[in-house]
Amino acid sequence: DIVMTQSPDSLAVSLGERATINCKSSQSVLYSSNNKNYLAWYQQRPGQPPKLLIYWASTRESGVPDRFSGSGSGTDFTLTISSLQAEDVAVYYCQQYYTTPRTFGQGTKLEIK
Amino acid sequence: QVQLQESGPGLVKPSETLSLTCTVSGGSISSYFWSWIRQPAGKGLEWIGRIYTNENTNYNPSLKSRVTLSVDTSKNQFSLKLSSVTAADTAVYYCARETTSVGSPYYFDYWGQGTLVTVSS
Repeated sequence: DIVMTQSPDSLAVSLGERATINCKSSQSVLYSSNNKNYLAWYQQRPGQPPKLLIYWASTRESGVPDRFSGSGSGTDFTLTISSLQAEDVAVYYCQQYYTTPRTFGQGTKLEIK
Repeated sequence: QVQLQESGPGLVKPSETLSLTCTVSGGSISSYFWSWIRQPAGKGLEWIGRIYTNENTNYNPSLKSRVTLSVDTSKNQFSLKLSSVTAADTAVYYCARETTSVGSPYYFDYWGQGTLVTVSS
């Protein structure tokens, strides 16, 4: 199985400030034939199902605010929220879809400082 | 807009079989991969397995011996059976669709709201 490890486990950021969440995979999720990273990011607000934010490591899902961005390649990835808003309080998960079983990071809880 | 809705008993006795159904509306179930994912309270997400509409399946090895997935394209539904449940199987169970292109599955683009299943006598 590909193990996904996120850091930090929790994060407190002031409104309007930048939040950065890291995700590391135990093996590369870059598919050489198409040069795509099989990595997605989800946001889960309390009591809600996960919501897709980012796929192919850096492609924003339709309707997702542009303050959310994804970067990285191979085994190391980052989700950045450029200017934290109150509605961004949530747990964020990375997930690899390079192979089965599909695996998720343990989650990063983002709060307001 | 595609919508997914889980249904099934919220309480299952230890050693019995957990059975859930996911109904897909707003789109066809055909030509997509459909997954079950669970989340114990306060914990992370665990992928259980998936089924394609030709009934091909993939299971998480950690649960494979106890899981059976099925699909009913005439009803736009797919189902999960998890046998010999214990308290460790208590979780919110989600159904989800993997976006699919040229027959290959990728990320989860649609999720159900989730249903809590408690294993207790």
